[in-house]
Amino acid sequence: DQQVKQNSPSLSVQEGRISILNCDYTNSMFDYFLWYKKYPAEGPTFLISISSIKDKNEDGRFTVFLNKSAKHLSLHIVPSQPGDSAVYFCAASRGTGNQFYFGTGTSLTVIP
Amino acid sequence: EAGVAQSPRYKIIEKRQSVAFWCNPISGHATLYWYQQILGQGPKLLIQFQNNGVVDDSQLPKDRFSAERLKGVDSTLKIQPAKLEDSAVYLCASSSPLRAGELFFGEGSRLTVL
Repeated sequence: DQQVKQNSPSLSVQEGRISILNCDYTNSMFDYFLWYKKYPAEGPTFLISISSIKDKNEDGRFTVFLNKSAKHLSLHIVPSQPGDSAVYFCAASRGTGNQFYFGTGTSLTVIP
Repeated sequence: EAGVAQSPRYKIIEKRQSVAFWCNPISGHATLYWYQQILGQGPKLLIQFQNNGVVDDSQLPKDRFSAERLKGVDSTLKIQPAKLEDSAVYLCASSSPLRAGELFFGEGSRLTVL
């Protein structure tokens, strides 16, 4: 039972343009969401998070948007850079101390 | 600060053999997680420790998998006997009480079962 879904396995974007990665979840009890970035042969690294009391959180070039009614979140990267090429996972949980459920990931390629 | 350390990085075994993975979390991180990531899938939680107590092991196949966290610091995950479907990357992560929502992952241990 996949409670967090990333329906786009891959995405290619030109350098300097916006990258939009999408994530859907099914469990309405989830109230904390994160994005992780993963390079080959490395563990995932934390990128940005958002709690359900907000609908937007911004950190530099990265912005996460949360639409609770649609059970949807998205990660915007502006402007995209070649170093952003990686696999991006979204994750969700009920509170910050409980199990995190991960999506299957979206492989982003930023073309120079 | 030093990151989450895992070993071995790679392991190849035959089915029905046993294997153990070791994890040393970031100093001061009370919560430790073991995740299994099968190729093409997202990480799936196997077990979560808070200090040396188990918080969640609902998805741990207890007939073949075991994990312990002695003295609330480092942890060992064991698989005995291994099956072909256990081929995966085993990720260890830790988090601190101050930043409970942020997991710090190790580089992972890649297991291939032949």
